[in-house]
Amino acid sequence: KNEVEQSPQNLTAQEGEFITINCSYSVGISALHWLQQHPGGGIVSLFMLSSGKKKHGRLIATINIQEKHSSLHITASHPRDSAVYICAALNTGNQFYFGTGTSLTVIP
Amino acid sequence: GAGVSQSPSNKVTEKGKDVELRCDPISGHTALYWYRQSLGQGLEFLIYFQGNSAPDKSGLPSDRFSAERTGGSVSTLTIQRTQQEDSAVYLCASSLAGQGADTQYFGPGTRLTVL
Repeated sequence: KNEVEQSPQNLTAQEGEFITINCSYSVGISALHWLQQHPGGGIVSLFMLSSGKKKHGRLIATINIQEKHSSLHITASHPRDSAVYICAALNTGNQFYFGTGTSLTVIP
Repeated sequence: GAGVSQSPSNKVTEKGKDVELRCDPISGHTALYWYRQSLGQGLEFLIYFQGNSAPDKSGLPSDRFSAERTGGSVSTLTIQRTQQEDSAVYLCASSLAGQGADTQYFGPGTRLTVL
């Protein structure tokens, strides 16, 4: 069993739809990161969370420490949001664990 | 200034040869990370440097892998006696401070192909 599980693996949405990507982890964490990887491979760090909720533009990330669960939401999705979204958990032993990613395609 | 840079962008080598991959972090960033992403696979943590402290090597897959960071800035990842399973994109990231507790900025990666 992976320490970090993401769902769904693949997601296709129509432009404008509200999107949710889920991340569950089994380790105690000190921080959780959401990363975005565009076709061509470049990786951008979207959020780093240790509690609560963060918002940046149309992106919102939440984390529930008790339930060991985090979600990434995209409001008013756009084709340029098409990418792979990766959840990464830093456990209390300073080990990074990565989810396998969610491939999002937003259709115009 | 500039973001994280890596060189070379692509490297093709023969099995058994040694390779060196370079990472230039953002100026002033004390933390530096190396990751690997094999074709169709997720990211894998390799090694982490924090300032002048001894690196956390817990993610290195074998003793053929080593890394150093000179003067708290540039880092090189060396793979000795490369194997075909070493083929992957090697990514470097840096952050201002603190392992995992700070935003990481990723370089473009080095695509390594071992023939």
